[in-house]
Amino acid sequence: DTAVSQTPKYLVTQMGNDKSIKCEQNLGHDTMYWYKQDSKKFLKIMFSYNNKELIINETVPNRFSPKSPDKAHLNLHINSLELGDSAVYFCASSDRTSGLYNEQFFGPGTRLTVL
Amino acid sequence: SQKIEQNSEALNIQEGKTATLTCNYTNYSPAYLQWYRQDPGRGPVFLLLIRENEKEKRKERLKVTFDTTLKQSLFHITASQPADSATYLCAPVGSSNTGKLIFGQGTTLQVKP
Repeated sequence: DTAVSQTPKYLVTQMGNDKSIKCEQNLGHDTMYWYKQDSKKFLKIMFSYNNKELIINETVPNRFSPKSPDKAHLNLHINSLELGDSAVYFCASSDRTSGLYNEQFFGPGTRLTVL
Repeated sequence: SQKIEQNSEALNIQEGKTATLTCNYTNYSPAYLQWYRQDPGRGPVFLLLIRENEKEKRKERLKVTFDTTLKQSLFHITASQPADSATYLCAPVGSSNTGKLIFGQGTTLQVKP
C-alpha cells in the first residue's frame, strides 16, 4: 500500500551509460515531480507534470528526459551519465485539483552513483 | 534570485526543551510556506503549511510562524523527544502559477535524552 514508489532504490553505473528511474503513485494525484538532492542535501525541483502535461521544467541538462505515460507514473531517463549526476533522486506527487498549494508526498528516493 | 536560508549547523537540544528552527527567504514574497521532515535515507514528509495571512499555525507539539515583514518563518517543537531528531526543511512557494516549492538545505535537529 505504498503511496509513492520508486525503482530502483540504488543504481550504480558507469559514466556514459543511459539509465531510467521509474515512479508510480497510487494516491490518485494529478501532479508528479522529480527532485534531485545533492551531497549537500539541497533538494531541487527538476520537472513537474500535471495530468501528463509538463508544467515545471527547470534548468536541467537535456540529457534528462521525463516521461509521463499516465497520471500515476512519471519516469526519468538520463542519457550519457556524468559523475555530477550522482545524487539521490526523489519522485513526489500532489493533488492540485483540491488546492494548488497542497502538500507533496515523496517517494523513498533512488540513490544514483556514477563511477 | 530566490534564496532560502536555514541554519546549516546542527541544532542539539535536551529532551523536553523547545527546539526553534529558522527559515529566511530573500528576493521574493511567497504566498505560503511548507515545512517537511526528512529522516536519513528517506524522502521528506510534510508537516505543516502556513499562508501569508496566517501569523501562526499549530499542530500538536509543532508551531510555525510566518513573518512576511521579516521574510522569516520559525518552526518550534515543544517538549522535544529523541524521536524528533531529523532534518527539517522549509519550502516557501517559488511560483504562484505552478505551485513550485523552493526548499532550504534543512536544519538537522538532534534531541538528546
